[in-house]
Amino acid sequence: AQSVTQPDIHITVSEGASLELRCNYSYGATPYLFWYVQSPGQGLQLLLKYFSGDTLVQGIKGFEAEFKRSQSSFNLRKPSVHWSDAAEYFCAVGDYNQGGKLIFGQGTELSVKP
Amino acid sequence: DADVTQTPRNRITKTGKRIMLECSQTKGHDRMYWYRQDPGLGLRLIYYSFDVKDINKGEISDGYSVSRQAQAKFSLSLESAIPNQTALYFCATSTGPNTEAFFGQGTRLTVV
Repeated sequence: AQSVTQPDIHITVSEGASLELRCNYSYGATPYLFWYVQSPGQGLQLLLKYFSGDTLVQGIKGFEAEFKRSQSSFNLRKPSVHWSDAAEYFCAVGDYNQGGKLIFGQGTELSVKP
Repeated sequence: DADVTQTPRNRITKTGKRIMLECSQTKGHDRMYWYRQDPGLGLRLIYYSFDVKDINKGEISDGYSVSRQAQAKFSLSLESAIPNQTALYFCATSTGPNTEAFFGQGTRLTVV
């Protein structure tokens, strides 16, 4: 069955430091991959998505993610974190065999130290 | 105005009560979803609908039912609420398979 794993439940970084959030997926075909962010009290907002082509994708708010088929990974990165990036981040895969509905990982909560 | 609107935003109900959560959208999307969010578990799919006549169970549909009243409206019901249904519920829409989903603001439900 398709699944998404985010190994880190909670990460704390200092403001201005670089960030990498991990995402591993289990999927039998070429995956459709997404990263969403959820700010406190808000719904989920799409940061970026990968469907095909260039394996390094750029998103909003200075985020990028790299698709690595050999590692079944789609890690999210940002070179310099801002205090406003504190939020929960979700990785998701589109389940093509089930009509393309999204399967989400457990989420990673990001805290930013001043 | 939000493209995907959930009502109510917060609700406290008693065990055994029937409750309905409503979702409406102005995006014109055919596909609508109900997810439940619990700490440490991410979002889990309850039900999804690809059009008005096509409704499907997700991974955690027990204890829930849905109604797709129109393309724009998708309601989630808890027939007899229980405390472990306390969670944050999200409605979402999309245009087709493997496309991004657009989420509502969520409904925080507490069953006491």
